[in-house]
Amino acid sequence: QVQLLQSGPEVKKPGASVKVSCRTSGYTFSSHAITWVRQTPGQGLEWMGRISGYNGDTLYAEEVQGRISMTTDTSTNTAYMELRSLVSDDTAVYYCARGPSIVVIPGRIITEGLIDYWGQGTVVTVSS
Amino acid sequence: QSVLTQPPSVSAAPGQKVSISCSGGTSNIGINYVSWFQQLPGTAPKLIIYDTVKRPSGIPDRFSASKSGTSATLDISGLQSGDEADYYCASWDVTLTIVMFGGGTKLTIL
Repeated sequence: QVQLLQSGPEVKKPGASVKVSCRTSGYTFSSHAITWVRQTPGQGLEWMGRISGYNGDTLYAEEVQGRISMTTDTSTNTAYMELRSLVSDDTAVYYCARGPSIVVIPGRIITEGLIDYWGQGTVVTVSS
Repeated sequence: QSVLTQPPSVSAAPGQKVSISCSGGTSNIGINYVSWFQQLPGTAPKLIIYDTVKRPSGIPDRFSASKSGTSATLDISGLQSGDEADYYCASWDVTLTIVMFGGGTKLTIL
């Protein structure tokens, strides 16, 4: 079965960086992107961006552009999300999720769908 | 971040039916599929509707959804206590090139 297992909680000081991992299993890693979503306390969901499991192409939300990096390790089917220059507003639960799916046809790579399976979430607390 | 518009809360008695609306625009719901997620307290969101009307395996047919123009609706019939959760809609926005989420709707079973 499809599983996404995230790293444990983090406590960081303002200005520091955090790197969250998302180890996947149960499917072909290259057939999907990994999307990162965060949820601030008591608030809704915020899309942060995605990285292709096929070729590593990334797409980031404007709100975190310049502070975020998403990477993958295809040898372990693991995705990583690093957020730099942390501020208190970055305190949130960070989720990785599978999707969209990636379809490779001659001369084109297309994505389909949104998100299906989610990781369990990683609590990141930014506090001095 | 831009969000799709959902009512903050809805409530209904066990066995009843409830509808949750999700309003967007021509660059998201108007031309793209909609997904719906259920988030039980203290857990990660779970996909319950994808491609606007389809249910993943294991999701009961008490959950159904539809779309009209730039708005989508999630219907839950035969309400059970276990349905008490937050529900989020989502759709890809072609102009902003982001996934837009609704602000979430808290379903309370009376």
